[in-house]
Amino acid sequence: DADVTQTPRNRITKTGKRIMLECSQTKGHDRMYWYRQDPGLGLRLIYYSFDVKDINKGEISDGYSVSRQAQAKFSLSLESAIPNQTALYFCATSGLTSGDSTDTQYFGPGTRLTVL
Amino acid sequence: QKEVEQDPGPLSVPEGAIVSLNCTYSNSAFQYFMWYRQYSRKGPELLMYTYSSGNKEDGRFTAQVDKSSKYISLFIRDSQPSDSATYLCAMRNTGGFKTIFGAGTRLFVKA
Repeated sequence: DADVTQTPRNRITKTGKRIMLECSQTKGHDRMYWYRQDPGLGLRLIYYSFDVKDINKGEISDGYSVSRQAQAKFSLSLESAIPNQTALYFCATSGLTSGDSTDTQYFGPGTRLTVL
Repeated sequence: QKEVEQDPGPLSVPEGAIVSLNCTYSNSAFQYFMWYRQYSRKGPELLMYTYSSGNKEDGRFTAQVDKSSKYISLFIRDSQPSDSATYLCAMRNTGGFKTIFGAGTRLFVKA
């Protein structure tokens, strides 16, 4: 089984709809991240969480919110989706305080979101 | 100016060629340098990790960091069609949590 899973893998929705993307991990990591990937722009950080009680905005958090339900679960919500939020979304985890001194990030398979 | 610049390609080479992928950066505080490989419809996976300057070799892959020039490279020897993917460079500074990613270079290795 994959260490980092994301659901759904693909989603098409309409402008103004509320959307939730979910991420679960079995790596035992404390840090979790949400990124979006757009052609030519690479990966941009939306939100990150270092533990269940610690959530921080990344460089492009406007229009997004997150919830860290447990150490292993981190959800991303689009409260009112708009077309320029069409992108590939990735969840990642890392475990600096779990013994991985490199703090390497491990990515999920991604969610392809289309907002019409 | 972006903190990390990476030529998006695409780069197309014949099987067996030596491939050179590069990134430049502007933040001299970066100390950790990574290369991720991303296959189509997959998430990025860590390929190489280097701390500070120097070279690191792993099989057919060599990562090189030149901090004086703010330039990092990934070399792939004896390239294979299975190496066809997008390669993203990434870096962060000591004590920093935020990893900055390049836009990725798309590589095609033709059989």
